[in-house]
Amino acid sequence: KNEVEQSPQNLTAQEGEFITINCSYSVGISALHWLQQHPGGGIVSLFMLSSGKKKHGRLIATINIQEKHSSLHITASHPRDSAVYICAVKQGAQKLVFGQGTRLTINP
Amino acid sequence: NAGVTQTPKFQVLKTGQSMTLQCAQDMNHNSMYWYRQDPGMGLRLIYYSASEGTTDKGEVPNGYNVSRLNKREFSLRLESAAPSQTSVYFCASSETGPQPQHFGDGTRLSIL
Repeated sequence: KNEVEQSPQNLTAQEGEFITINCSYSVGISALHWLQQHPGGGIVSLFMLSSGKKKHGRLIATINIQEKHSSLHITASHPRDSAVYICAVKQGAQKLVFGQGTRLTINP
Repeated sequence: NAGVTQTPKFQVLKTGQSMTLQCAQDMNHNSMYWYRQDPGMGLRLIYYSASEGTTDKGEVPNGYNVSRLNKREFSLRLESAAPSQTSVYFCASSETGPQPQHFGDGTRLSIL
C-alpha cells in the first residue's frame, strides 16, 4: 500500500463544475503539499498546509490531521485547470512522499 | 525570475554512457533535491542536499551520484547509464524546514 493515495486517478468534467480531489496518507507528517503539473511537464506548488484550510483564487485546500486526509477543491472549473494534481506529504525535515497524481481534464 | 534551471531539457544516451544533469537555483535556497518521475508512479527522491557541502541518499539512489558544487548548483551524475534510468528528472529547491519546493522544468532522459 502506498503511503500517499489519491483519488480519483482520472477525472473528466465540464467547464464550470465543482471539482474535488482527495488525498489520504498513512504516515505522520509535518506538512502536506498540493502541486500542479501542466501538460508541458512543469511542476508548480499550489499549497502547503499543516492544518485547517487555505484558499487561493478558485482553489481551496483542506486537511484533517486526525483522519489523515486532505482535499483539493476547484470552483467554477475552466479548461486551463486541466493538469495533473499531485499530493505530497512531508516527513521529518526533508523528505517528501508523493502520491501518483490525479489527471484532471476540463472540457469546454 | 529564473528560479530553478535544469540542463539539458532532453537527452538520449546509449547504455553504458555517462552524463551529468545540471541544476542551478537563484533563490538562495539551502536545500536542493533530485527526483525522478516514471509513468504510473509518483515522484521519487534520488538524492537531496540540506545545505552546501552535504548530500544524502533518498529513496532510489542506486546508479546515481550527486555533487553540491556550491549553494546555487546541485548536479546529478549517471556513471554508466542503464535503460531502467529512462525517466524524467526534476530538480527542486526550498528553504530549510516546512517550505514549498520550487521545481525546474525537468530533463527527459532516454537510455537506449
